[in-house]
Amino acid sequence: DTAVSQTPKYLVTQMGNDKSIKCEQNLGHDTMYWYKQDSKKFLKIMFSYNNKELIINETVPNRFSPKSPDKAHLNLHINSLELGDSAVYFCASSQDNRGGNYGYTFGSGTRLTVV
Amino acid sequence: GDSVTQMEGPVTLSEEAFLTINCTYTATGYPSLFWYVQYPGEGLQLLLKATKADDKGSNKGFEATYRKETTSFHLEKGSVQVSDSAVYFCALRSTNAGKSTFGDGTTLTVKP
Repeated sequence: DTAVSQTPKYLVTQMGNDKSIKCEQNLGHDTMYWYKQDSKKFLKIMFSYNNKELIINETVPNRFSPKSPDKAHLNLHINSLELGDSAVYFCASSQDNRGGNYGYTFGSGTRLTVV
Repeated sequence: GDSVTQMEGPVTLSEEAFLTINCTYTATGYPSLFWYVQYPGEGLQLLLKATKADDKGSNKGFEATYRKETTSFHLEKGSVQVSDSAVYFCALRSTNAGKSTFGDGTTLTVKP
């Protein structure tokens, strides 16, 4: 039973399209995250939600909009896709956003290619 | 703010060689420290962690000791295998921080 599952695993789309990535965790964690990993493997946080409340919103274009219908789900919608959005997007979850002891559980990633 | 500096890669070793990947950090307070591993085509997996000074985290033959005096958390393994080829990320998480801070990753390739 996958702990953090993302769909789709691969996404190829044309510039200007709108697409969504879904994430679900069955670990009972309070906090979920979206990270972007570029071609050099650098990880950059985009958003974080704690119990459906947005707590981190890094410098990300307004075309990216997260949504958390409940604490087990965090989706990412991207409008007007651009070539530079091509990357691997990772969802992650952790048990507590206040305590520093807990690591993250990552999903397997969504490889987005904009053509 | 918090930051993590990792040894630049790529690192290439022969099987059974000794591995060290250096990691140093800057943080306010007393963070927890983590190593994650990312195998090709997969997400990151938590490899080990240490939550206070002088703690040693260990897993799958890998070890790292939380050194507060040198603000370091170096990853070591005595004898690497081809299957250890992956990208390794050092990370920290401060108390009351909403997020972890990751290093840039170090790519390890182990040759038979």
